[in-house]
Amino acid sequence: EAGVTQFPSHSVIEKGQTVTLRCDPISGHDNLYWYRRVMGKEIKFLLHFVKESKQDESGMPNNRFLAERTGGTYSTLKVQPAELEDSGVYFCASSQVTSPNYGYTFGSGTRLTVV
Amino acid sequence: KQEVTQIPAALSVPEGENLVLNCSFTDSAIYNLQWFRQDPGKGLTSLLLIQSSQREQTSGRLNASLDKSSGRSTLYIAASQPGDSATYLCAVVSGAGSYQLTFGKGTKLSVIP
Repeated sequence: EAGVTQFPSHSVIEKGQTVTLRCDPISGHDNLYWYRRVMGKEIKFLLHFVKESKQDESGMPNNRFLAERTGGTYSTLKVQPAELEDSGVYFCASSQVTSPNYGYTFGSGTRLTVV
Repeated sequence: KQEVTQIPAALSVPEGENLVLNCSFTDSAIYNLQWFRQDPGKGLTSLLLIQSSQREQTSGRLNASLDKSSGRSTLYIAASQPGDSATYLCAVVSGAGSYQLTFGKGTKLSVIP
C-alpha cells in the first residue's frame, strides 16, 4: 500500500507570503495528524482530524495557520502570512483506528524555509 | 504537561558495540511509549511500541524497556552496524481524545565502520 505522501518536500518562501502544504494519508485511514519540528526543538503536535472533523487543534500556534481536510481524504495546512519562526519541518501522520496503541505512519515531511 | 527528555543528544560508537539510548518522561499516566527512527530527509519509522501494561518489546537487535512508575525507557541496540546510524526519537501517548504523541528531541547515533 502507498504510504503517507506529503508535498512539496521543500518550500522556500518570503516572509508575508502564503504557503499551502498537502498531506495524502494512507487510503482508509480516518485519523490524520499534523506535527512540526522547528530548529533545535522537539517535534510538536499541531492538530488531529478524524475524517473531515477537527478532533483536537490545541497545538496550532496561532490563527495564521489553517488546516482543512476535504471529504475526509487529503489534508492541507495553509500558513498565511508566513513568518520567519514558521520555518521547520512539517510532518503528517495517519492512523486507521482512533486508538493509542494502534500506531501511526508518518510521511517524509515538508521542509519549510521562510526568508 | 508531559515532557520527554532523551540522553545523550548524540552518540558515536564503533561498529559491533552494544549501546543504550535513554528516554525519560515526567507524567507516568501514559498509554504507551514508542521509539522511532529518522533518517536524514526521511519520515519517522516506527521501531517499537510498548503499551503501558508491558515491560519490554523486542524486534531483531532492538530491545526497548519501560518502567512507567519511574518515567524511564531504554532502547538497547545489540551489535551495532553502520546502517543503524540515524536519529532515534522517543515519544509517549498520554491523555485522552486525540492520542497525540509527545516527543523528545532525539539521540543522533553514528556507528563508525
